[in-house]
Order: sequence, then structure tokens, then C-alpha cells
Amino acid sequence: DTGVSQNPRHKITKRGQNVTFRCDPISEHNRLYWYRQTLGQGPEFLTYFQNEAQLEKSRLLSDRFSAERPKGSFSTLEIQRTEQGDSAMYLCASRFTALGEETQYFGPGTRLLVL
Amino acid sequence: GQQVMQIPQYQHVQEGEDFTTYCNSSTTLSNIQWYKQRPGGHPVFLIQLVKSGEVKKQKRLTFQFGEAKKNSSLHITATQTTDVGTYFCVCSSYETSYDKVIFGPGTSLSVIP
Repeated sequence: DTGVSQNPRHKITKRGQNVTFRCDPISEHNRLYWYRQTLGQGPEFLTYFQNEAQLEKSRLLSDRFSAERPKGSFSTLEIQRTEQGDSAMYLCASRFTALGEETQYFGPGTRLLVL
Repeated sequence: GQQVMQIPQYQHVQEGEDFTTYCNSSTTLSNIQWYKQRPGGHPVFLIQLVKSGEVKKQKRLTFQFGEAKKNSSLHITATQTTDVGTYFCVCSSYETSYDKVIFGPGTSLSVIP
């Protein structure tokens, strides 16, 4: 167990609905990342936080996507007006920033299916 | 922008055979990491390479970083069924933003008992 948890593990929703995912990183980790992974592909970077600050967002993150990490601990990823193309595994990862240490610890992911 | 390729995309081997996957970046890397993802699982960190020409071993796994720091390889000796999964190289480049990494597309390994 890596210590990163994600909820829910699975989500089925109808097109047009909003969904929210939660990630709880390893407690001492100050960096938190969101990725999206589709079948047969590697994870694609979406965004990351340093403590509560969102430092970068991928162009993949359309205006329907928003992520927060209000207290620098857990994070949420919300998708508004879901589309079938949003169906994917959403992975969260965390790490502690230290010189030479770049290992990211992944959570189990939230699998989203948009009908 | 930076591109990362991995070959082969799929590899089926008989248990006991060796396996190698190659990762190539279009840009010079600051470091490279390797992750393994079991079917239905999440990526798990294997190793990080930083120095040009670096070679690291973990039991039956040998990781190598190219001299030009643009490519890397992972070699598994005498594969076992527990080696099944997808192996991703994860690249950090001087040309990408400070803390964004790029995953390669992965090599999916199947081991036939």
C-alpha cells in the first residue's frame, strides 16, 4: 500500500453530469499530481500542486475541469458537464520535495465511465 | 514539445526468456524513472537514473541511462510470471517545466508459463 488513497474507486455517470474525485496524499508529501490514463496509454499529466498552490495545468485540462487543494492536504478534481471522452482512469500521485528525490507515489485511481 | 517513445509496445515471452524495453526522448533528460503497472493496478516506482551512462541493477532487472541522456533501457533476465505488466519510462527534461514529467506510452509484457 503506497499510502495515497482515492475516492471513489469507480464512478459511472451520465453525460452532462458533474463528478468530483478526491485524493488523500501521503501526509508529509507537499506535492500532489493529477493524471489521466486511458486504456493502453501511459498516464497524462493534468495538473500539480505545491502545498495549496496549483502551479501548473496541462492544456488537457479544459475549462470543465477544476482542481483544488484548499488546505494543502487532500485534493479534489471536479469535471463539469461530463462528456463520453472523459471516460478514463484518474490517477493521483504525491511526493515529498527533496534534493534528488523525485519518486511519485500513486493512488489506486478513480475509474470514470460516462454513459 | 518533448516526445517520448518506447519500443516495443507489446512483448510476449516464454517464462525464463529475457526481455528488454527501450525508451527514447526527443530532448536531453535531467533524469529518467521507470515505473511498473500491473494489470488493473497503478504505477509503482522502480528506479531513478540521473547520471550519463548510469547502470543500476535490482535483482533480475538492469536499468541503463544512455551517454547522451536521451535514452534508457530496462532489461529483465529470466522472466517470471510476476514480471507481467506495463513498464513505463518517465522523463524529466530540462526543456519541460520544472516539475512536470512525461510518461512514455509503455511496453506491455506478457509472460507465458
